Amino acid sequence: QKEVEQNSGPLSVPEGAIASLNCTYSDRVSQSFFWYRQYSGKSPELIMSIYSNGDKEDGRFTAQLNKASQYVSLLIRDSQPSDSATYLCAVRRNTGGFKTIFGAGTRLFVKA
Amino acid sequence: DVKVTQSSRYLVKRTGEKVFLECVQDMDHENMFWYRQDPGLGLRLIYFSYDVKMKEKGDIPEGYSVSREKKERFSLILESASTNQTSMYLCASSFSGSSYNEQFFGPGTRLTVL
Repeated sequence: QKEVEQNSGPLSVPEGAIASLNCTYSDRVSQSFFWYRQYSGKSPELIMSIYSNGDKEDGRFTAQLNKASQYVSLLIRDSQPSDSATYLCAVRRNTGGFKTIFGAGTRLFVKA
Repeated sequence: DVKVTQSSRYLVKRTGEKVFLECVQDMDHENMFWYRQDPGLGLRLIYFSYDVKMKEKGDIPEGYSVSREKKERFSLILESASTNQTSMYLCASSFSGSSYNEQFFGPGTRLTVL
């Protein structure tokens, strides 16, 4: 089992729809959770951080964390073609030197 | 704004060459990281450093070494480049005092070893 798992996609949604990206992690003592956006040929860009159970909203983005179920999700409302990218889930754990573990990413396509 | 810069965007080297990849951050971050990213494998940690002259092995350190002589600079060294080290190399930095310890990435260096 991978430490951080994401559906590789591609996930395709029409413009204006809600895109839902999911991530599960295996280390129960993980502390902080991140979503990065990565455009093709570019480096990852941090878009959301969350460490408490529940929802955290920032503009069109909402991160949801459920530590009991060990999943974190990212909702993108009113999806735009410019949201088309790979979204990386990352988990910072308390053990093993406080490393951040990245998922392989989910490719999102927003169709105009 | 955090700025992490890397010395080259694209690099082509020959098998057996010694390769230096440089990373500089301007936000006084304590922690710096080197990753490689390959299709289907995601980001894999090579080495990281939490202070000047300190280094820790990541998940795939074989064939690599690092140097951190100054706080703002973290170098990745491929002692004898091999074709399986062809990859995208990403440097990142983070601030220990942050609640989240978010990592901020440089633009990446796409290395091709022929």
